[in-house]
Amino acid sequence: DTGVSQDPRHKITKRGQNVTFRCDPISEHNRLYWYRQTLGQGPEFLTYFQNEAQLEKSRLLSDRFSAERPKGSFSTLEIQRTEQGDSAMYLCASTTGTGQETQYFGPGTRLLVL
Amino acid sequence: GQSLEQPSEVTAVEGAIVQINCTYQTSGFYGLSWYQQHDGGAPTFLSYNALDGLEETGRFSSFLSRSDSYGYLLLQELQMKDSASYFCAVRDRQAGTALIFGKGTTLSVSS
Repeated sequence: DTGVSQDPRHKITKRGQNVTFRCDPISEHNRLYWYRQTLGQGPEFLTYFQNEAQLEKSRLLSDRFSAERPKGSFSTLEIQRTEQGDSAMYLCASTTGTGQETQYFGPGTRLLVL
Repeated sequence: GQSLEQPSEVTAVEGAIVQINCTYQTSGFYGLSWYQQHDGGAPTFLSYNALDGLEETGRFSSFLSRSDSYGYLLLQELQMKDSASYFCAVRDRQAGTALIFGKGTTLSVSS
């Protein structure tokens, strides 16, 4: 399968714990995005990487959230000291430099914070 | 800031035609995209309009009027498998390279 993959697909954690999600984009895509989606809403932008550089961050991204893309391939999103309000689907998308409107989404990681 | 408005729900029967409208308010507009998302699935790209007019891709067409800040997605010959959420999304200069999505329209197709 050459699509975007995310791991884990589901995560249940207790409030206050740290969680980390991984995204593997389509191999030739240099642009990678993280979004968050809650029930009944569209995806909301969190952060964007071009190769290994984190170029944009949303105001939604509090200091408890950190993302990396160390070698310009896979990316990780970490949430520290999780809160119940962090419960959501975390989506990763990738695209090439010339096709920014056509973003290819992974299946998402569904996080539930108890 | 940016905002997008689309109906929350639309219902139709198999074989019918349905139009999902989207109005937007942005600065430095680049274009309007449409994505489909089935329950529990990932959003999937359907179409993109940068210029005024109609783009056709099989049973789906998308229209844009930049002067009216309006677009729509037209789905023809509806099938049960078209039951999903449909999101319009824009990219504009304020948002940078990210897409700003509407809240989505849930389409229910019945037999």
